Amino acid sequence: AQTVTQSQPEMSVQEAETVTLSCTYDTSESDYYLFWYKQPPSRQMILVIRQEAYKQQNATENRFSVNFQKAAKSFSLKISDSQLGDAAMYFCAYRRGNEKLTFGTGTRLTIIP
Amino acid sequence: DTGVSQNPRHKITKRGQNVTFRCDPISEHNRLYWYRQTLGQGPEFLTYFQNEAQLEKSRLLSDRFSAERPKGSFSTLEIQRTEQGDSAMYLCASRGISKSNTEAFFGQGTRLTVV
Repeated sequence: AQTVTQSQPEMSVQEAETVTLSCTYDTSESDYYLFWYKQPPSRQMILVIRQEAYKQQNATENRFSVNFQKAAKSFSLKISDSQLGDAAMYFCAYRRGNEKLTFGTGTRLTIIP
Repeated sequence: DTGVSQNPRHKITKRGQNVTFRCDPISEHNRLYWYRQTLGQGPEFLTYFQNEAQLEKSRLLSDRFSAERPKGSFSTLEIQRTEQGDSAMYLCASRGISKSNTEAFFGQGTRLTVV
């Protein structure tokens, strides 16, 4: 079974600084997708960034980028120029093909003004 | 279409009562997923539908839980004889499968409290 591990229950960063959230996963598949979702206090899950396993290039979305290390099964999220609105729970998730998402336990990110 | 809609947003029920939640997906999405999220945890998969067919059920989905998606549109999740351990946020998500990398869109969830 696939598992996703987030070893940082909480992280904090000064506003405008950079922070990296860690995620590791376990799978025997070669074709899969990895995601970072953000869940603000309003509780609606929002996709932050997506990475296809067959792509070697790391995905980027504005201030958000990932470091995807397929051999190490590592998928970290870097948030640059942190803003107050980035405060939320961040979940790393795995999906094989068109199947369900498997989530990690989350990292609570606090932005310090 | 404004996204995935879940009703009610909050439900308080007494132990032993039955409850039903509704999810209206994004209209063109043929995949619909139910997840359960307890405090401090990530969402856990319960079940999913492709159109009206229920394709997979988690072991978490005991025989007190049943889900339907008649006509491949909205879905309902029913919990019979609720227990305090059923208290959680129940999340619904939908996605299309025209491309394998389409994202799942989530609703705001239904928070269930069993007293």
